[in-house]
Amino acid sequence: SAVISQKPSRDICQRGTSLTIQCQVDSQVTMMFWYRQQPGQSLTLIATANQGSEATYESGFVIDKFPISRPNLTFSTLTVSNMSPEDSSIYLCSASGLAGELFFGEGSRLTVL
Amino acid sequence: AQSVTQPDIHITVSEGASLELRCNYSYGATPYLFWYVQSPGQGLQLLLKYFSGDTLVQGIKGFEAEFKRSQSSFNLRKPSVHWSDAAEYFCAVGSSGAGSYQLTFGKGTKLSVIP
Repeated sequence: SAVISQKPSRDICQRGTSLTIQCQVDSQVTMMFWYRQQPGQSLTLIATANQGSEATYESGFVIDKFPISRPNLTFSTLTVSNMSPEDSSIYLCSASGLAGELFFGEGSRLTVL
Repeated sequence: AQSVTQPDIHITVSEGASLELRCNYSYGATPYLFWYVQSPGQGLQLLLKYFSGDTLVQGIKGFEAEFKRSQSSFNLRKPSVHWSDAAEYFCAVGSSGAGSYQLTFGKGTKLSVIP
């Protein structure tokens, strides 16, 4: 299984600022994804992080708000831009294993004041 | 579009009792099905998965799940619950494209365990 490390694990931010979340996987993986889990809710896929090219975003998510990078097979970043209180969520990085299962990081808990 | 329904938002069981968490899915082809557990303040841990083959799948921590195509269900079971099983459980269905797996999650079932 892959071990996924995210940082920061939590942060409190001011409205209008931006925060970048980093995700590091301990082994080479094919696919990496970013999910959002709003308070008391399930997980929603934000985008697929593509190595060396623009991420593929799901409906309702746009690059200007959630820019994503993936410079190599084991590292990705998600930026939450121009934050508002509605962006307060847990953001989870995930990576697909060789058998197709998804492994998740511990998540980054973001609170926007 | 694929979807997952977990009918029970919150379940409370006594320690040592048996457990069944329900999951129904909607998917046009053969589904890839998963159960994850999330302890408070933690990420998601994979309990078990079904891709094909034997419809009864064994997972970690003594959990098992049975795929029933006729009922579009993938219920999670454990014969004897431990207090440490208190957590939130998510069922997910996956679609395979270009070798990747994008999951659609249910809304989760919160499990409370009474000592």
